[in-house]
Amino acid sequence: EDQVTQSPEALRLQEGESSSLNCSYTVSGLRGLFWYRQDPGKGPEFLFTLYSAGEEKEKERLKATLTKKESFLHITAPKPEDSATYLCAVGHSSASKIIFGSGTRLSIRP
Amino acid sequence: NAGVTQTPKFRVLKTGQSMTLLCAQDMNHEYMYWYRQDPGMGLRLIHYSVGEGTTAKGEVPDGYNVSRLKKQNFLLGLESAAPSQTSVYFCASSYSRGNEQFFGPGTRLTVL
Repeated sequence: EDQVTQSPEALRLQEGESSSLNCSYTVSGLRGLFWYRQDPGKGPEFLFTLYSAGEEKEKERLKATLTKKESFLHITAPKPEDSATYLCAVGHSSASKIIFGSGTRLSIRP
Repeated sequence: NAGVTQTPKFRVLKTGQSMTLLCAQDMNHEYMYWYRQDPGMGLRLIHYSVGEGTTAKGEVPDGYNVSRLKKQNFLLGLESAAPSQTSVYFCASSYSRGNEQFFGPGTRLTVL
């Protein structure tokens, strides 16, 4: 069964304290792995797509990496404005739907 | 280029009333989706469409109907609203099967 699991559920960091969020997945026929950011009261905002193991993508303080079983979202020297829920999702090569994880709530204290 | 837009942003209904939520996208995407998001439940797929004139059920379709008469629009209808349908509704679109989806800003619906 296709599945996406994110950990931790919640993460509180001090401003400038780097860390990583984890997304473990099982899917037969990976089309792509997607990362989103969701602010309270808003729709998920697309960040990255990763297609194959070893691929990396960067955007400002965020860097996403992919292996055959998991993806990491590394956040370097975070700022309070990076506080949000980060969602991971996987797309299947033969399915119209994508599968979302339950998200990690990231809070950055000044 | 507005991306995905949703109308209305907020709505309050009484039990038994009906309403239609409108989603529009200007990216020429084939696939469109309706989700609901509730605290602690994550995103749950209600219905989706793989092209103009097509619709399919997601994981929580009961109590909802959809229509895709034009490629750029996807409508979600509630025929007889129930308090259990109080939620935030998101529309999304994607270029093709299994690709990244782009989301609208959401509609916050309260059913009293």
